[in-house]
Amino acid sequence: GAGVSQTPSNKVTEKGKYVELRCDPISGHTALYWYRQSLGQGPEFLIYFQGTGAADDSGLPNDRFFAVRPEGSVSTLKIQRTERGDSAVYLCASSAGQFSEQYFGPGTRLTVT
Amino acid sequence: QKEVEQNSGPLSVPEGAIASLNCTYSDRGSQSFFWYRQYSGKSPELIMSIYSNGDKEDGRFTAQLNKASQYVSLLIRDSQPSDSATYLCAGSNSGNTPLVFGKGTRLSVIA
Repeated sequence: GAGVSQTPSNKVTEKGKYVELRCDPISGHTALYWYRQSLGQGPEFLIYFQGTGAADDSGLPNDRFFAVRPEGSVSTLKIQRTERGDSAVYLCASSAGQFSEQYFGPGTRLTVT
Repeated sequence: QKEVEQNSGPLSVPEGAIASLNCTYSDRGSQSFFWYRQYSGKSPELIMSIYSNGDKEDGRFTAQLNKASQYVSLLIRDSQPSDSATYLCAGSNSGNTPLVFGKGTRLSVIA
């Protein structure tokens, strides 16, 4: 079946602009996660949804970052007033069941110039 | 602060040898552990999960967990050049909770 999909695959934006990154999870997966990965580092947790609600947003670095999942499927990560330090690969993962096996999408590479 | 530690490598092994990748974690509440393989420029791919003490084998891969020592390892038997990648160790509390990742160990299998 289809895996996790993310769009766009690459996004270049200017400092101060607003961006939206989209994630479409595996069908039927109720849990959806956003991570951010910088070069040479492991993925870093940002926010986690169970259904439509954000179950844990403790990883969001500041209030410029926001994410929604209005119908419990597709999620959008929104970044306002982008900064050069926001440049990274943004990964989305989804999971179902008790033991948190998370499956990652291909990621969106965000570059802020 | 929950931490997962891995040797960054690179770990170089000859083709056909056993590659041994190690990981330690700080949070005793962690219940589930995962190994992901990440090729350069690609996203992490789940290769093994382990939830209880002992060994779990899947093909050429064996994951080992020792909760008393807070230690997780991955053995890759008959290593192939196609196994060359960064291997990420991750842990989580039970249920659907976020993963805490190590920085990854870069493995190079030399033909």
